[in-house]
Order: sequence, then C-alpha cells, then structure tokens
Amino acid sequence: EAGVAQSPRYKIIEKRQSVAFWCNPISGHATLYWYQQILGQGPKLLIQFQNNGVVDDSQLPKDRFSAERLKGVDSTLKIQPAKLEDSAVYLCASSLAWGAVYNEQFFGPGTRLTVL
Amino acid sequence: AQKITQTQPGMFVQEKEAVTLDCTYDTSDPSYGLFWYKQPSSGEMIFLIYQGSYDQQNATEGRYSLNFQKARKSANLVISASQLGDSAMYFCAMREVTNYQLIWGAGTKLIIKP
Repeated sequence: EAGVAQSPRYKIIEKRQSVAFWCNPISGHATLYWYQQILGQGPKLLIQFQNNGVVDDSQLPKDRFSAERLKGVDSTLKIQPAKLEDSAVYLCASSLAWGAVYNEQFFGPGTRLTVL
Repeated sequence: AQKITQTQPGMFVQEKEAVTLDCTYDTSDPSYGLFWYKQPSSGEMIFLIYQGSYDQQNATEGRYSLNFQKARKSANLVISASQLGDSAMYFCAMREVTNYQLIWGAGTKLIIKP
C-alpha cells in the first residue's frame, strides 16, 4: 500500500515570495491534515479536510496561507507571501476518518521550507 | 496550560538498555486516546503505539510498551533492548473526545550510543 506522498521535499525561497506544497493521501482516506512543525517543536495543525470540506482551519494564518483539496483526494497548501517565521517542515497526514478517539494518522515525509 | 508535557528534551542511552520516555497529560474528558510517534531525521512521523483511556491493560507493540498510569495522568513509553535505529525524536500526543485534534508534546530527542 502506497503511503502519503508529498512534494517537494525541500524548498528554499526568499521572503515575500510564494510557495506551494502538494500532498497525495493514502487511497481511500477521507481525512487529510496539514501540519506545520517548527524546529524543536511538535506539529501544529494548520487545516483539516474531511473529503473536500474544511473541518478545522482555526490555526491557519488566512492572510497568507491557503489550502484546497480538489475532488477529495490531493491537496495543495500555499503560502503567499512567505515570511521568515514560515521556515518549518510542513507535514501532510491522512486517516480513514476523524470522528473517533482512536484514529491513526499516517504521515508523509514532509516538505522542509527555508525562507531567507 | 500545557496539555501534553514531555520533560526530557534529550536522552542518551547505551545500546541494548531499556529506556523510558516520560509523558504527562492534562484533560477533563473521560474518553481520550494517547499516542506515541517516532520521527527519525528523515522527517516522517511513524506511529508506534496507542492507549485508550478505558483500556484496562497497558498497550504493547513489539519492543514498545506504554506505562499508563491514569490517576497520575502519565503515559510513558518504554523501549526494551534499545537499538541504534531507535535514535530519533519521540512525540507523545493526545486526542480528546470533545476535540478530535491531536495535541502534541514538544518531543524528546533520544540518542542510542553503541
């Protein structure tokens, strides 16, 4: 079974530039998550999709971050314009569903973003 | 207030020894789940073990076991017979029934010495 795919693995941009990350979840997984993980910290949830609808985006900086999940499968996270503090690893995860206490999330390899 | 606390920023352990990684949590929900993930330097989060708040027995998965002390609100991960490949960041996380988000600790960096 193929895992969660993410691209690119690494990205270096200058501040005020734009960047986009792509995620392909495990086939059949209805729920998709985007996390931001700053060095030395645990992941922070940015946005959660159930199929192609947004379940939670309360921690997404909506003035610069946007995300979409077309047709309930692949997802794209965009930052425009980037700031220095956006330097982090962006993790995508997926799960079969979300409405349960036990709900294993499967993670992709992450995209390491450096903003100069 | 911190919901998940991992008090050990880093640990060095000799290969083949057992290691305990600490995790305490704070919740008023009667139903919740506790997770441990491993994050090697490659960056991917790997699920290790799960403990439900109503589970009567401590969870075990191969060399991993979870020392669940509900009254103390602790969920320590025990790795038996550590291996060099166990060197990684380890994260404790919790999900409450009232909020299905995973709440993460700050992690513990484990280094296994040969």
